[in-house]
Amino acid sequence: ETGVTQTPRHLVMGMTNKKSLKCEQHLGHNAMYWYKQSAKKPLELMFVYSLEERVENNSVPSRFSPECPNSSHLFLHLHTLQPEDSALYLCASSQDERRGGLDTQYFGPGTRLTVL
Amino acid sequence: AQSVAQPEDQVNVAEGNPLTVKCTYSVSGNPYLFWYVQYPNRGLQFLLKYITGDNLVKGSYGFEAEFNKSQTSFHLKKPSALVSDSALYFCAVRDIEGDYKLSFGAGTTVTVRA
Repeated sequence: ETGVTQTPRHLVMGMTNKKSLKCEQHLGHNAMYWYKQSAKKPLELMFVYSLEERVENNSVPSRFSPECPNSSHLFLHLHTLQPEDSALYLCASSQDERRGGLDTQYFGPGTRLTVL
Repeated sequence: AQSVAQPEDQVNVAEGNPLTVKCTYSVSGNPYLFWYVQYPNRGLQFLLKYITGDNLVKGSYGFEAEFNKSQTSFHLKKPSALVSDSALYFCAVRDIEGDYKLSFGAGTTVTVRA
C-alpha cells in the first residue's frame, strides 16, 4: 500500500468544520480518482483527474471540492458536510490509457470520515 | 451502460476447500474485468484482471478467474482457501471502447473458517 498514501486515516468533524483529505501516489501515474465507499453499496466514483485536469465530476455536491496541484497529489476539501457523508473515502491512481500503458487502478488505504 | 452483479453477499467455506466468488457483468462492447480484495480498514488491493487472450487469468495469492463470454461471467476461484483469505471481494468492469470509469459490484464477504 505504499504506492498510494492517504492522510489522515481517520477524521471526525462537525457539520460546520472545514477539513481536507490528502492523497499522494508514488507510482508515476497520471490519473487520480476519488471514490466514496458506504456500507453495503458499490463504490461511488466522485472525481477523476487526468494530467491534472478534472475529467469527471459525478454529480457530487458542492460541499466536496477536489484539487489536483500536480500528477502526484490529490486533495478533497470538505465543508459543511452532512452526517450521511460519513463513509470511507478512497483515492486511486492509474496510468491514463489515452497515453498508453496499463489502466489498472491502485488504491490507497482510505480515510474513514465521520460527520457528527 | 455497464454494470456488475455479485449475486452472493456472503460466501463461507472451510479452510482447505475450494473458494468461488461469482461475478456477472454487462457492457455494450468488450469488457476489461478486474477483481479487488479489501481487508478490514484497508483500501482495495488489485488481485487480477482480464483484458484479452487466455480466458483463465492467474493473479496474486493463488487466485484465478475464468472469463466466460457466453455467460458474461468472471468468477474468482482459489483451489484451497486459507483463513487469511477472509475479506471483502469486489468485481469491476470497464468497456474497452469506453472511458476510464470502472463499475464495481457491491462486494462479497468471504469467511474462511479454520
